[in-house]
Amino acid sequence: EAGVAQSPRYKIIEKRQSVAFWCNPISGHATLYWYQQILGQGPKLLIQFQNNGVVDDSQLPKDRFSAERLKGVDSTLKIQPAKLEDSAVYLCASSLVGQGRGMNTEAFFGQGTRLTVV
Amino acid sequence: GENVEQHPSTLSVQEGDSAVIKCTYSDSASNYFPWYKQELGKRPQLIIDIRSNVGEKKDQRIAVTLNKTAKHFSLHITETQPEDSAVYFCAASGSNYQLIWGAGTKLIIKP
Repeated sequence: EAGVAQSPRYKIIEKRQSVAFWCNPISGHATLYWYQQILGQGPKLLIQFQNNGVVDDSQLPKDRFSAERLKGVDSTLKIQPAKLEDSAVYLCASSLVGQGRGMNTEAFFGQGTRLTVV
Repeated sequence: GENVEQHPSTLSVQEGDSAVIKCTYSDSASNYFPWYKQELGKRPQLIIDIRSNVGEKKDQRIAVTLNKTAKHFSLHITETQPEDSAVYFCAASGSNYQLIWGAGTKLIIKP
């Protein structure tokens, strides 16, 4: 079974520039997550999709971050404009159903995109 | 909302000894508690999970215990091996179908 695919693996941009990340989840997985992992910290959920609808985006900095999941499959996460503190690994994950209360299935992670903002 | 605290932040044990990592959570409604292992430069991978209707779960050298009254759960690794060296994250289910993650424990296995 193919895993979660992410691209690019690495990205270096200057502050105030824009960047986009792409994720292709495991086939058949209804739920897709974007996490931000700053060095030395645990993953922080940015946004969660159920099919192509947003379940939770409470921790997404909406003034600069946006995400979409077209046709309930692939997803893109965009940052515009980037700040120094956005330097992190951006992890995409997918699961058959959801996580959290009442819908507990394993989340499979992609390799991540390491973003460095200089 | 849910808050998860994880201790210790770093744990160093002799190869062959046991390792225990502890997490506490704040929301009594949480009912799902996974543990993920993340090796350096790699993605997190689920190693074991437990639901609130179970007090303990084992999978070979790994076990997780849950104390709902005290709102804490622990990961136990027995007969540690070099390949167990990694960062381990606990998590607890929150509202809105979220998972709230701990800050991680760096486990070092000394030869």
